[in-house]
Amino acid sequence: DAKTTQPPSMDCAEGRAANLPCNHSTISGNEYVYWYRQIHSQGPQYIIHGLKNNETNEMASLIITEDRKSSTLILPHATLRDTAVYYCIVIKGSSNTGKLIFGQGTTLQVKP
Amino acid sequence: KAGVTQTPRYLIKTRGQQVTLSCSPISGHRSVSWYQQTPGQGLQFLFEYFSETQRNKGNFPGRFSGRQFSNSRSEMNVSTLELGDSALYLCASSLLVTGGHEQYFGPGTRLTVT
Repeated sequence: DAKTTQPPSMDCAEGRAANLPCNHSTISGNEYVYWYRQIHSQGPQYIIHGLKNNETNEMASLIITEDRKSSTLILPHATLRDTAVYYCIVIKGSSNTGKLIFGQGTTLQVKP
Repeated sequence: KAGVTQTPRYLIKTRGQQVTLSCSPISGHRSVSWYQQTPGQGLQFLFEYFSETQRNKGNFPGRFSGRQFSNSRSEMNVSTLELGDSALYLCASSLLVTGGHEQYFGPGTRLTVT
C-alpha cells in the first residue's frame, strides 16, 4: 500500500472550512484513498473514501488531484466537535483484508 | 442499528496475568479486526478474523491471540501480561466480503497493566 504524508497539526476557526491535505505520490491505479478521524478517547470513525473522482457525503468532501498524487479532505463548516486526529490511508481496492495501516495523522484543532 | 460494542471498557491487570477482551460487531458484519493504540506506537493492527478464520496478522508476539465465533463475535487474549501491553484495544467490524476498508470501530477497552 502507498505511503501517505500529512502535516502533524493544523488549526481552523469554528465555522470556517477545514482543508486537510494528504500526499500519496506513490499511489497506484487500483488504490483508494480513505479518511478516518479519531476524536479523543474514542475509536476511529470512517469519514469518506475515493478512487479518482471527487466525493461528498454528509460529513465531508474529498478532492483528489487529477494525477492522484495528493488529496484534500474538506470539512465545510468546522465545529468544535471536529477537533480530532485525521488519518489519510491508501488501500488497494482488491485487497482481501481489513487491515488498516495508520500513520501519525493530522491533529486538527478547531478554535472558537 | 447498534454499533460495535466492546467489553469490558476498562481493565486493570497485574504483570504475568492473562486477559480476554470481547467484541460484538455490527449485525451482519463478518469481518472483525483488532488494533492496539499506545501513545508511543500509535494505532497498530493486531489481527483480522473473517468467518471464524484469521485472515491477516500484524507484527505482535504469540502472546496475543484471538478467535471469532460463528455469530461473528470475537475475542482477543493476551497471556503473560507485560507493562508495555497497557494500551487502548480497539475492535472494528466491516461488512465487505473482500477488503474491509470501511470499518466501524468500537469505543475500545482501556487495559492497564501494573
